[in-house]
Amino acid sequence: QKEVEQDPGPLSVPEGAIVSLNCTYSNSAFQYFMWYRQYSRKGPELLMYTYSSGNKEDGRFTAQVDKSSKYISLFIRDSQPSDSATYLCAMRRGAQKLVFGQGTRLTINP
Amino acid sequence: EAGVAQSPRYKIIEKRQSVAFWCNPISGHATLYWYQQILGQGPKLLIQFQNNGVVDDSQLPKDRFSAERLKGVDSTLKIQPAKLEDSAVYLCASSLVWQNTGELFFGEGSRLTVL
Repeated sequence: QKEVEQDPGPLSVPEGAIVSLNCTYSNSAFQYFMWYRQYSRKGPELLMYTYSSGNKEDGRFTAQVDKSSKYISLFIRDSQPSDSATYLCAMRRGAQKLVFGQGTRLTINP
Repeated sequence: EAGVAQSPRYKIIEKRQSVAFWCNPISGHATLYWYQQILGQGPKLLIQFQNNGVVDDSQLPKDRFSAERLKGVDSTLKIQPAKLEDSAVYLCASSLVWQNTGELFFGEGSRLTVL
């Protein structure tokens, strides 16, 4: 079993839709939870960062962490074609290495 | 501020040949990482340096992969001899601090195709 599971998609939605991306994990010691966005042929860039459980909002993006269920989510409101990318969840325990999910490929159709 | 620089961007070699990738991190970033990203998968850490010392190389295939960061700045990742399964994007990343919340800044990657 992988430490971090993420549905690879692909996921295709119309412009303006609300997008929900999710990851599950098995290691209850994970403390730091991140979402990276990766455009085609580019390196990942940090989108959202959350410590422990709870919600965090940044513009059209909301990150949620439910440690009791070992489940994290990223919501994108009013999705735009420029949001089309691969979204990677990542997490780590303390100073240990960052563990990435497989990535979900998202396409927003105009 | 300049980002993480990597070269070459693309490389095609035959199996059993060797290849080297270079990375120059963001100025002042003490921690440098090499990740391997196989098509359709998330990045996997190969090696992590803190200045010029190795912090984690547990997933580096040491029989064929080597990496160095001699002066604590730029770094080189070498593969010798290459196998077909080494076809991937090799991502270099750097961060200011590694203990907890240091954000990783990634380069655009070096795409390797082994024929």
